[in-house]
Amino acid sequence: AAGVIQSPRHLIKEKRETATLKCYPIPRHDTVYWYQQGPGQDPQFLISFYEKMQSDKGSIPDRFSAQQFSDYHSELNMSSLELGDSALYFCASSLARTRDTGELFFGEGSRLTVL
Amino acid sequence: AQKVTQAQTEISVVEKEDVTLDCVYETRDTTYYLFWYKQPPSGELVFLIRRNSFDEQNEISGRYSWNFQKSTSSFNFTITASQVVDSAVYFCALSIQAAGNKLTFGGGTRVLVKP
Repeated sequence: AAGVIQSPRHLIKEKRETATLKCYPIPRHDTVYWYQQGPGQDPQFLISFYEKMQSDKGSIPDRFSAQQFSDYHSELNMSSLELGDSALYFCASSLARTRDTGELFFGEGSRLTVL
Repeated sequence: AQKVTQAQTEISVVEKEDVTLDCVYETRDTTYYLFWYKQPPSGELVFLIRRNSFDEQNEISGRYSWNFQKSTSSFNFTITASQVVDSAVYFCALSIQAAGNKLTFGGGTRVLVKP
């Protein structure tokens, strides 16, 4: 079965550069979530989208932006990168009509290293 | 606000010993979901179990078992006859139906199984 696809899996950037992470949800899933996991930390919710509209927002820095496109894939854009942005970024997807089952599917993550 | 607490930061056992991971959660909502995820050194989040707030039936699945007690807001997880491959960080997580599937994670417990 198709899973959540994230790209790139690894990314190395310099301070003050920009990075873009992509997420392709499971086909027919209409909701996408982004999480950030710093070294030795638990995953923290950043932002979510339902039917291409932002549905919830967590602790996402103003330097970050995200959107969900017409094909339901999502991109997380990070500008003016800082050393503290080095983390594992997870994307997850779900289907709204099964939201009452709490079912959420995670990608394998994109590891960003800022030098 | 929701909160998940995993008091144990690290547990070290010898192979074949049992390991119990503690999880205590806080929420005012009556409809919620509890999860356990495993994160091996490779970094991906592996879904282990989901329980909804109306299902307190405890279960055994292979070497895994769960003990959900609403009275004490606890959702403990046990690995029986641990194996080296069980070495990972284990996260307990909570989601609220009213807030979609946004997950709140505990701080994680690192399990080290020595041969």
